[in-house]
This record gives sequence, structure tokens and C-alpha cells, in this order.
Amino acid sequence: SQQGEEDPQALSIQEGENATMNCSYKTSINNLQWYRQNSGRGLVHLILIRSNEREKHSGRLRVTLDTSKKSSSLLITASRAADTASYFCASSYTGRRALTFGSGTRLQVQP
Amino acid sequence: SAVISQKPSRDICQRGTSLTIQCQVDSQVTMMFWYRQQPGQSLTLIATANQGSEATYESGFVIDKFPISRPNLTFSTLTVSNMSPEDSSIYLCSVAGTSTTDTQYFGPGTRLTVL
Repeated sequence: SQQGEEDPQALSIQEGENATMNCSYKTSINNLQWYRQNSGRGLVHLILIRSNEREKHSGRLRVTLDTSKKSSSLLITASRAADTASYFCASSYTGRRALTFGSGTRLQVQP
Repeated sequence: SAVISQKPSRDICQRGTSLTIQCQVDSQVTMMFWYRQQPGQSLTLIATANQGSEATYESGFVIDKFPISRPNLTFSTLTVSNMSPEDSSIYLCSVAGTSTTDTQYFGPGTRLTVL
């Protein structure tokens, strides 16, 4: 399977703490995207990082990409209870437009 | 960003029946995809919906089970045929533009339960 891995599978933190999720993928990519999913609903797009970028910020989100290690991380700073959700990374492999998803991280932020 | 709607949002179906899911986009898009998310799992690509031609299916998915139509650049349907309880999943359509750096947007999903 080309599916990527994410760790941790589950993460429980207190409000105000930072949350870091890691993602690994299998082969060269065009870009990598991060999504949030609340309780089995649709996916909300968070951020896209291109293969030639190493870091990207959006509000409280920071994404890094290390193509030599085929890995990415998502950092959520100053977490809130509303950040409770599942987070998925998704890779667009070179020569392929569809996305290959990681296994996901379930984040629980305790108020 | 594209606004995507799906119908129905959820359904409960009997074994052996079929369900057609509709995906409507508010603007013309180049790429449309259908994904499946089984309970507690991540998303898996079913197929790429090609406008005016047959869909391109991923390994493990076949046209007889998941026929797909895409009559124009804003609409697509996915049919889940001869359903069994193992087909209980969330089905999501997604869209993207022509560039490899384009964001891929997802519809709200259709939650299917097969009894």
C-alpha cells in the first residue's frame, strides 16, 4: 500500500498546549496537504506545502516538510477545545493528481 | 475555493440494493475524485471521474461495483451497487484544478449504512 503513516495515532493534551503530528510518505511528491475532520464529517483543508518548500505557517498552524526523510509535521500552537478532531496528511505523488492519505491522528484537547 | 455539495448526506440501505450519490460543484473543475472512508479508517481513493470518458479505478475497485458518471465539469455520480454491510462507509467526492500545486477540496460526504 502506498498509504502514508502518521504518528501518534491519538494525542490528548490540555488547552493551551501545543500539538505536534508527524506524517511519512512513500515516494516523491508534488505537494503535501493537511486536513481536519470533525466526527466523521467532511474534510476541511488546512494547509498545502509544495515539494520545494520547507516550512509554512497559517495562523496557529505550522507545517514543515523534509523531502530527504519523506516526512512532514503539523504543529498546532496554543490549542483550543475546538481543535479536537482527526488530522490527516495527504500526499500528491509525482505524476498523480489524486491524494494518498496518511493513517490520521485523533487529537483530543481537554478544556 | 470550490463549494461542493453531496446528496444524500446519509442513507440507510438494505443489502442487495444500490445507491447513487451525487456530487455538485459550484464552478467548473478539471479533476474530480471519489474516496471511501471505512469506519475508523483513513480515506482511500476509489476512482478518478473523467469528463466524457470512463472513470479510472484504483486497484481493488471495479466499475461493476462502483459505476461513476461525469457528464460535465461540475457534476458527478457514484453508484454503490449490490450493497453489503462491508460497503458501510463515508463516501466523499473531491475536486482540484489543473496544477499540481492546486488545493484539493472535499465535499461534506455521504454516510452510508447497509443493513
